[in-house]
Amino acid sequence: GQNIDQPTEMTATEGAIVQINCTYQTSGFNGLFWYQQHAGEAPTFLSYNVLDGLEEKGRFSSFLSRSKGYSYLLLKELQMKDSASYLCAVMDSNYQLIWGAGTKLIIKP
Amino acid sequence: GAVVSQHPSRVICKSGTSVKIECRSLDFQATTMFWYRQFPKQSLMLMATSNEGSKATYEQGVEKDKFLINHASLTLSTLTVTSAHPEDSSFYICSARGSGRGAPYEQYFGPGTRLTVT
Repeated sequence: GQNIDQPTEMTATEGAIVQINCTYQTSGFNGLFWYQQHAGEAPTFLSYNVLDGLEEKGRFSSFLSRSKGYSYLLLKELQMKDSASYLCAVMDSNYQLIWGAGTKLIIKP
Repeated sequence: GAVVSQHPSRVICKSGTSVKIECRSLDFQATTMFWYRQFPKQSLMLMATSNEGSKATYEQGVEKDKFLINHASLTLSTLTVTSAHPEDSSFYICSARGSGRGAPYEQYFGPGTRLTVT
């Protein structure tokens, strides 16, 4: 079966760095997405990785290792507004998005 | 660019009635639209995928006669929850995908519709 694993909840301090991991087992791979979702709102796109390596975009970076079925989202200089759920999603061989359950990130002052 | 709207944002209806939710891509042509349902503290659950002009493909366990999807144009898809019951209360989110925009096969999400059935 297809499976995406990510931690249920993480806590970090304002101004610090946090890494949210995602491991996956899917039938085929056509890219991995990270989305941010604030409570009661729809997801917003953060990043897309299809090749191995690190993609940096401002305070957020995303890493992919296809051989390990592993990705992480790195958030630097955390701000209170970064408190949200972070969803990892993998596009399988049928170009369907397989979603993880999301990681709720709590930022403390 | 790549804006998707959803209407209504919130709806409360009585058990047994039907509710229609609209999803529109405002500045691009959406070749494919997706309908998701999300229960509190859970991830997105794909309900169905629709391509313009053809019948929607429903995920296993989703009743096609209860959740009617119409994708009549490249900018509009509708989801009708028929004979709604309290267990249908959820957050319904649509997303749209258009060729040549953003990351390959990136989905753009609407703001969601909170449905409460009393």
